[in-house]
Amino acid sequence: QQQVKQSPQSLIVQKGGISIINCAYENTAFDYFPWYQQFPGKGPALLIAIRPDVSEKKEGRFTISFNKSAKQFSLHIMDSQPGDSATYFCAASRSSNYQLIWGAGTKLIIKP
Amino acid sequence: NAGVMQNPRHLVRRRGQEARLRCSPMKGHSHVYWYRQLPEEGLKFMVYLQKENIIDESGMPKERFSAEFPKEGPSILRIQQVVRGDSAAYFCASSPLGQGTEAFFGQGTRLTVV
Repeated sequence: QQQVKQSPQSLIVQKGGISIINCAYENTAFDYFPWYQQFPGKGPALLIAIRPDVSEKKEGRFTISFNKSAKQFSLHIMDSQPGDSATYFCAASRSSNYQLIWGAGTKLIIKP
Repeated sequence: NAGVMQNPRHLVRRRGQEARLRCSPMKGHSHVYWYRQLPEEGLKFMVYLQKENIIDESGMPKERFSAEFPKEGPSILRIQQVVRGDSAAYFCASSPLGQGTEAFFGQGTRLTVV
């Protein structure tokens, strides 16, 4: 019940296309859902996060869509650029708890 | 404002040796978290510390692993008698208000046990 399942494991998108990464969770107590971006040899960096009181959050080219009833959330990267090539992790936690439960990651490659 | 600083970036140890990983949180942050990342996997929580206190070590193996965050100086993750299975990237994160969800991560220490 603590797991966060992330798909796909890897993704190749043409420059200018839309990259979509999906995550699913079981624990209905989770109420914070961040996405992290990690470049090789670097630590994860918070990209965007959402709480269940909204169904969508947009920051620039990055959008999180959240479906509470389905217990799913996804990251959309619009107009994908080669500089977006990285590994993306979804995560989940409860506000009352500080532990982030991480998905396994998606390696995104944007082809020029 | 320097970010979370971890050192060393790379550490090679022979089986049976000790590994010491250091983490200096961001200025003004008194909450530190350690995570471990195996290749091609997400991060796994290990331990959460505040200055001089271990708040939660539920993710840390009971044996050989210990962590501290003294009043002065960096947080230390110590692994005694390392084994090959300890090879991983170890990330430290810090936050100002105890909200691990909005923590900032260091660049990690890559431990290789040979």
